[in-house]
Amino acid sequence: KNEVEQSPQNLTAQEGEFITINCSYSVGISALHWLQQHPGGGIVSLFMLSSGKKKHGRLIATINIQEKHSSLHITASHPRDSAVYICAANSGNTPLVFGKGTRLSVIA
Amino acid sequence: NAGVTQTPKFRVLKTGQSMTLLCAQDMNHEYMYWYRQDPGMGLRLIHYSVGEGTTAKGEVPDGYNVSRLKKQNFLLGLESAAPSQTSVYFCASSYSSMGISSYEQYFGPGTRLTVT
Repeated sequence: KNEVEQSPQNLTAQEGEFITINCSYSVGISALHWLQQHPGGGIVSLFMLSSGKKKHGRLIATINIQEKHSSLHITASHPRDSAVYICAANSGNTPLVFGKGTRLSVIA
Repeated sequence: NAGVTQTPKFRVLKTGQSMTLLCAQDMNHEYMYWYRQDPGMGLRLIHYSVGEGTTAKGEVPDGYNVSRLKKQNFLLGLESAAPSQTSVYFCASSYSSMGISSYEQYFGPGTRLTVT
């Protein structure tokens, strides 16, 4: 069974800082997802990747298949980035397995 | 285009009562999912469906039943609610063709259920 671990569990940053959230998984995967859960509870998909790197605005997601590791980076962080960031992965034709999330607080 | 909607948003049940949570999507997605989210734990899959008329068990299916009679709707039922089922329930949907979980999932706003 795939296990997904995230670090850190909690992260506090000053506005403008570069932020990195890490995700490790235990078995080979088909896809790695990054999601954002807003303080109000809503969940949105940020990225889905199986190799390399994807960028959307100030968010960058990378994955290293050999090391079974992915990172989510936020450049020039802003208080509106405060949320829980969730990593999820699936292997083969199986449903997603989710990490427990990283709670990010960005202070102005 | 409403995306994924869930009904109700909040509910309080007494132990032993039953209820049905409704999920609806207007994106013509084949795959639909029910998750529960508890403090300190990641989202856990209860049941999922790969198409109209088909359902499958996820990681934590006990105490729940589901039905997918129409492509756009996915119902989650609790026949006899227990306090352990107090949670926030999320429905999600996605495209298929590349296999489950190979497309991004679109989530509903969640239903907060308390069982006393």
